[in-house]
Amino acid sequence: AQSVTQPDIHITVSEGASLELRCNYSYGATPYLFWYVQSPGQGLQLLLKYFSGDTLVQGIKGFEAEFKRSQSSFNLRKPSVHWSDAAEYFCAVGARAAGNKLTFGGGTRVLVKP
Amino acid sequence: NAGVTQTPKFQVLKTGQSMTLQCAQDMNHEYMSWYRQDPGMGLRLIHYSVGAGITDQGEVPNGYNVSRSTTEDFPLRLLSAAPSQTSVYFCASIGGGAGNTEAFFGQGTRLTVV
Repeated sequence: AQSVTQPDIHITVSEGASLELRCNYSYGATPYLFWYVQSPGQGLQLLLKYFSGDTLVQGIKGFEAEFKRSQSSFNLRKPSVHWSDAAEYFCAVGARAAGNKLTFGGGTRVLVKP
Repeated sequence: NAGVTQTPKFQVLKTGQSMTLQCAQDMNHEYMSWYRQDPGMGLRLIHYSVGAGITDQGEVPNGYNVSRSTTEDFPLRLLSAAPSQTSVYFCASIGGGAGNTEAFFGQGTRLTVV
């Protein structure tokens, strides 16, 4: 069975500082990996996704993530955080072999200080 | 494109009442799913479908029924609502083919059971 762990429930970061959100997954084969963002009261928006190839993936809003197979990780990064990045972030793992089921982590809530 | 349309956006039920959450997609995706979102627990899969006439249970199926009579529609039924089903519900439609899978989410239904 696939699973996802996001170790940090909350992260507070100053505006302009860098941000890194951790994601560890468990899946027997090569997974599809995703990061979604959810603003308060809103649905989920896809930030980026990894399927194969280059392990450093660029997404929208200046985010990037790096797939590290040896560490079963897919951490999300942003060099300089803006106040509008305050939201909840979800990592997800899926696989076509698993019927395209997506399994989500518990989420990390990001607070941005002025 | 409408994408995934989910109704209603808000609902209050009394314990024991029944209701159906509607979900429709216009992207001709085979795979659709229902999630519930609770604080600190991320999104948990309730039921999913890999095509018309085919449904299966996810992680937390108890208390919910689904059917998939058409590719477009995937309603979620609560037969006898309980306070534990107070949550935010998201419908997702997944498509894109091999190597380009992406989940598209509805805007969510905030359900309160009193």
